[in-house]
Amino acid sequence: QQPVQSPQAVILREGEDAVINCSSSKALYSVHWYRQKHGEAPVFLMILLKGGEQKGHEKISASFNEKKQQSSLYLTASQLSYSGTYFCGTDNNAGNMLTFGGGTRLMVKP
Amino acid sequence: DAEITQSPRHKITETGRQVTLACHQTWNHNNMFWYRQDLGHGLRLIHYSYGVQDTNKGEVSDGYSVSRSNTEDLPLTLESAASSQTSVYFCASSPSTDTQYFGPGTRLTVL
Repeated sequence: QQPVQSPQAVILREGEDAVINCSSSKALYSVHWYRQKHGEAPVFLMILLKGGEQKGHEKISASFNEKKQQSSLYLTASQLSYSGTYFCGTDNNAGNMLTFGGGTRLMVKP
Repeated sequence: DAEITQSPRHKITETGRQVTLACHQTWNHNNMFWYRQDLGHGLRLIHYSYGVQDTNKGEVSDGYSVSRSNTEDLPLTLESAASSQTSVYFCASSPSTDTQYFGPGTRLTVL
């Protein structure tokens, strides 16, 4: 079952912060975050593993609540380059098989 | 540099034709995946492979097939193309349970 992302879309001014949420109905082994710009491939941002390990982008942070089966991506002091669609992908059993959410469209304006 | 490539980047075909989309990676990753992405939607898994001679069905596998004869390649075949298969197709590879790296995509139109 597909994880649910919220909000579906958000518009920011440069320098503002945003939070994107990803919620699953199943127990999670890991959550992967990607950003996709129009007409391009998804680009890896961050992976959060069960047990607390995180790997990813320097300027973007995320949290992983295993009990609530939720993850949140925090974008601080947003830049124009942050614009795009953000997807979370969830792995339920360490099989590296991801189920992706519907995406959150982020637009950063000057 | 190691990379993942897809070909063709754009393809127009007719209903009923067989179509094969190529995916090639030079990272020597064991895991490879095929997704489709429709306008306004996320990525949906079609097929995946954990190694040579291993293939598995994903969420939307009907009408598609894959084969894995070596580590580098996972071609995706549409046996008899249908208009509902018009989409953007992404291939990805991964070394293990780590992140997946995506190819540039193939835009397929079935008329």
